[in-house]
Amino acid sequence: NAGVTQTPKFRVLKTGQSMTLLCAQDMNHEYMYWYRQDPGMGLRLIHYSVGEGTTAKGEVPDGYNVSRLKKQNFLLGLESAAPSQTSVYFCASSRQTDTQYFGPGTRLTVL
Amino acid sequence: SQQGEEDPQALSIQEGENATMNCSYKTSINNLQWYRQNSGRGLVHLILIRSNEREKHSGRLRVTLDTSKKSSSLLITASRAADTASYFCATRLNSGGSNYKLTFGKGTLLTVNP
Repeated sequence: NAGVTQTPKFRVLKTGQSMTLLCAQDMNHEYMYWYRQDPGMGLRLIHYSVGEGTTAKGEVPDGYNVSRLKKQNFLLGLESAAPSQTSVYFCASSRQTDTQYFGPGTRLTVL
Repeated sequence: SQQGEEDPQALSIQEGENATMNCSYKTSINNLQWYRQNSGRGLVHLILIRSNEREKHSGRLRVTLDTSKKSSSLLITASRAADTASYFCATRLNSGGSNYKLTFGKGTLLTVNP
């Protein structure tokens, strides 16, 4: 099993550009999550999903949108990137409400 | 505001010594989890302790939970250089309904010197 994978691993954007981060899991988990990690801030939840076709806002959702069209995929979109969105983004999944399994992360820089 | 706060922020020890990290939280929890993150990598789950448990072991790891003090500690015994990483506590609130979210602390950076 590949576990949780994220695409791309690195990306540099200019302010105002858009992009989509893809998260895929092969563990048949119902729940999926997007976090961002900034120095000194720990992980903060952006959006999460408790099942195919459902999404919900987390702690810092502004400037991001998500979609869960297929159970195994969770997409995070930035419609108009801002320098404040420079961060490392992690996707995670879980079978129920306990252990979360994390992807390797996407390092995003917005100039 | 952070639900979980780790202490200390950084810890440096010699190989073979024990490392203790603490986590404090503010509101009633369903469970508390510890994760490890090696530099530049994703988080890896280490251990989960439920609110009705007081102590749990997994290999060289020992976790305690004191719900009256709203605190937990992670002890790594006989540390190795490979234990060098950031360690995060994460809490799942006891909201009464379904709560799928974990709230992470800012982490403790552990350095184990050979």
